[in-house]
Amino acid sequence: AQSVTQLGSHVSVSEGALVLLRCNYSSSVPPYLFWYVQYPNQGLQLLLKYTSAATLVKGINGFEAEFKKSETSFHLTKPSAHMSDAAEYFCAVSLLYNQGGKLIFGQGTELSVKP
Amino acid sequence: DAGVIQSPRHEVTEMGQEVTLRCKLISGHNSLFWYRQTMMRGLELLIYFNNNVPIDDSGMPEDRFSAKMPNASFSTLKIQPSEPRDSAVYFCASSLGRGKYGDTEAFFGQGTRLTVV
Repeated sequence: AQSVTQLGSHVSVSEGALVLLRCNYSSSVPPYLFWYVQYPNQGLQLLLKYTSAATLVKGINGFEAEFKKSETSFHLTKPSAHMSDAAEYFCAVSLLYNQGGKLIFGQGTELSVKP
Repeated sequence: DAGVIQSPRHEVTEMGQEVTLRCKLISGHNSLFWYRQTMMRGLELLIYFNNNVPIDDSGMPEDRFSAKMPNASFSTLKIQPSEPRDSAVYFCASSLGRGKYGDTEAFFGQGTRLTVV
């Protein structure tokens, strides 16, 4: 069975600092992995996705994530945080091989950015 | 395209009343997903349609919940009767699913915040 664990429900960084949001997954089949961002009172927006091609995936807004099969991880990073990055971030795994809408989500990590 | 459109954005209703949430898919998409978001349980998949056919409704919490796709571009999620524990944000998402070789990205609507008092 697939599952996703996000380490840390809340992460706080200073503007300009490195952002690291952690995600570990469990999947019985080759996984499709996703990071979504949710701004207050908004829907979820896809940041990036891993679909078994390159293990280092670049997304929007300067975010990237690296798929590490040996560690079953898919951590999200951004070299320099911006105030506008403050939001909630969700890691998700696809329940079906090559079907990206049927997702299991992690519990989410709220990112705060201090000036 | 305007994206996935949900209505209403906010709904407040009294316990026992029927509630209907609506979703318009992105044009050309043929997979539809209803999710529920609560503080306690996070984001949960309720039901998934492909080509208007319900494929997996194992996440629907109770018989009080029902979902339909009367046509290829529109879906409803109905709760009858509603209860306070149904209070949550309900999202629908659509994707260009191609069955076995399906698409790998779902697009989410803005959500409907339901409050049952």
